[in-house]
Amino acid sequence: GENVEQHPSTLSVQEGDSAVIKCTYSDSASNYFPWYKQELGKGPQLIIDIRSNVGEKKDQRIAVTLNKTAKHFSLHITETQPEDSAVYFCAAIIQGAQKLVFGQGTRLTINP
Amino acid sequence: DAGVIQSPRHEVTEMGQEVTLRCKPISGHNSLFWYRQTMMRGLELLIYFNNNVPIDDSGMPEDRFSAKMPNASFSTLKIQPSEPRDSAVYFCASSFDRGTSGELFFGEGSRLTVL
Repeated sequence: GENVEQHPSTLSVQEGDSAVIKCTYSDSASNYFPWYKQELGKGPQLIIDIRSNVGEKKDQRIAVTLNKTAKHFSLHITETQPEDSAVYFCAAIIQGAQKLVFGQGTRLTINP
Repeated sequence: DAGVIQSPRHEVTEMGQEVTLRCKPISGHNSLFWYRQTMMRGLELLIYFNNNVPIDDSGMPEDRFSAKMPNASFSTLKIQPSEPRDSAVYFCASSFDRGTSGELFFGEGSRLTVL
């Protein structure tokens, strides 16, 4: 089945700097890759997603890149702000089983 | 829209007791998912329903766990008997499709502690 690896598990950056979180997946048939943000005491919330027919997608300070050949995708947050502090999860679809598999999560801390 | 509603938010029980977690999905969504979150294993999919029918329950840990969706607006996850290793945050999520290429909307979770 699909396996999603996410790195790093924790990340601390200064406010205003950029943060990058990386994920790899194993199933070459996967074609949908969402990113979820989980704030303390809440459920995960979708922040951006990318499909296999594009290599990059941007939404204001957030961007996601996809390299299908290497089977990895990354989340980029620029000009980080304190409210970006949260746990971020990447995920990939299992094409055959029709269900998402999540990475282990990255705890991002923005230091003022 | 009220979002996905889960109850209870917190549950503390003793080993051997029955636990029932409840979920009301977003109106109009036709898929419902139960996830378990722990530090060790992250987010695990336990079971998901499409149009009230269980599609994949391969993530259910063992026979002590059962889930039902009697109608489009309500689902339960039951653990009987509960064990300390079941302590986790249980999330319910819903989506308009099977969640394979659309957004999952998560509830705020039910934190279960089994003593």
